[in-house]
Amino acid sequence: DAGITQSPRYKITETGRQVTLMCHQTWSHSYMFWYRQDLGHGLRLIYYSAAADITDKGEVPDGYVVSRSKTENFPLTLESATRSQTSVYFCASSELAGGSYEQYFGPGTRLTVT
Amino acid sequence: AQSVAQPEDQVNVAEGNPLTVKCTYSVSGNPYLFWYVQYPNRGLQFLLKYITGDNLVKGSYGFEAEFNKSQTSFHLKKPSALVSDSALYFCAVRDPASGGSYIPTFGRGTSLIVHP
Repeated sequence: DAGITQSPRYKITETGRQVTLMCHQTWSHSYMFWYRQDLGHGLRLIYYSAAADITDKGEVPDGYVVSRSKTENFPLTLESATRSQTSVYFCASSELAGGSYEQYFGPGTRLTVT
Repeated sequence: AQSVAQPEDQVNVAEGNPLTVKCTYSVSGNPYLFWYVQYPNRGLQFLLKYITGDNLVKGSYGFEAEFNKSQTSFHLKKPSALVSDSALYFCAVRDPASGGSYIPTFGRGTSLIVHP
C-alpha cells in the first residue's frame, strides 16, 4: 500500500545499545523528517533530509544519526541509547511541488530504553 | 524567525456545539499555515492549510480555519462538534521567506475534548 510506514512499532532496549528505527515512504517525496514526541514538549525535530544524501540537524540531534541513501528510506539510529531517549518517534515526508507543502506522518515507533 | 502559539492546552465543548481551537503565529513574511490532528496512538494527520487566496480554508471532517493577517491568527473551527473529534490538534507555520530549507514550526498542541 502507498504511504509512509515505520518499523518497529514498539521497541524495548537497554541503555547503551544501538537501535535503528526505520522509515519508508512510497510517494518519492523529497523531504523527510524525524520527530520525537514527549509529554510537555510537543513535537521536536531531530533531523531532516531535503533529498537523498542531504541531511541536516534539527532542534534535538544529539545522540542520533541519520542517513538517506535512497529517496524512500530515512533510518534513524540511536548510537548508544539512553533513558532520556524513551519517547514516541514519528517520521514524516513532504513535497514542495504543486503547492503541496503539508507533511504526512507515519504511525510512530514507541521506544522504551530501560 | 518563525513561531506559533496555541494558547490553550485543552478545550472542552459539548457535542453539537461549535468549537474553536486557537492558533497565533509570528513570521517575517507571508505565512504558510497548517492544522493537523492526532488521534490516540496514531501519527499526525493533515487537516487543512492556508498558502494563499481565500482567508477561509475548508478541510477534512468538516473543519475550517480562518486566516487573519491583522491578528496573526489561524483558528480552527467546526460548526457542530462530534465526540469523535476528541483528539490532539497541532497548528504549524512555515515562513517561506526563511530561506531554502523547509522546516515548519509546530505548536505545543491543544487537546480537544467533546462531551456527549
